Amino acid sequence: EAQVTQNPRYLITVTGKKLTVTCSQNMNHEYMSWYRQDPGLGLRQIYYSMNVEVTDKGDVPEGYKVSRKEKRNFPLILESPSPNQTSLYFCASSLSRQGGETQYFGPGTRLLVL
Amino acid sequence: AQSVSQHNHHVILSEAASLELGCNYSYGGTVNLFWYVQYPGQHLQLLLKYFSGDPLVKGIKGFEAEFIKSKFSFNLRKPSVQWSDTAEYFCAVRGGSYIPTFGRGTSLIVHP
Repeated sequence: EAQVTQNPRYLITVTGKKLTVTCSQNMNHEYMSWYRQDPGLGLRQIYYSMNVEVTDKGDVPEGYKVSRKEKRNFPLILESPSPNQTSLYFCASSLSRQGGETQYFGPGTRLLVL
Repeated sequence: AQSVSQHNHHVILSEAASLELGCNYSYGGTVNLFWYVQYPGQHLQLLLKYFSGDPLVKGIKGFEAEFIKSKFSFNLRKPSVQWSDTAEYFCAVRGGSYIPTFGRGTSLIVHP
């Protein structure tokens, strides 16, 4: 089954404790991205990747890192989480970066930073 | 830079009522437009998209949207909503940067 998976689905942590949220897709998609969803703000893109070893900042990259060592995986790293990073995070992928391509979203990771 | 504006933040309808959710974008060039739906507790799913051709696009579950280039709009419509349409709806635009921009979302509640 074609899908985007994220782990963990729920995470409670404390300020400053490094964490990684994994994202994996099995559709051989080139383009992957991370969003955060906050009430009243919709989805905002954090980082995206055009292909392996090619990543770039989205609209709200501060406090986040990503890597793309393999085509299928695109982990999101919070080196020193802060309470303002409490949010719902979605990973998404699409076949290419072409404008008409549909993005497929993962199930979401709900993060609470105390 | 591209941007998207969704006019209605919260919409409450009775079953069988007609639905129209507004979406306006700003971008001077060729765009691709999307509507996504997020059911409670679930991830975003594509409802429909406009890439080129017929400006009236039909999607899943009886939804449709019309791209009106002169008005920079891509409004979502459904003639008769059901309780199961209760969800959050997001309009998105993808212009020259290939980075999609999402609207803030419209929360739709359909009561029986």
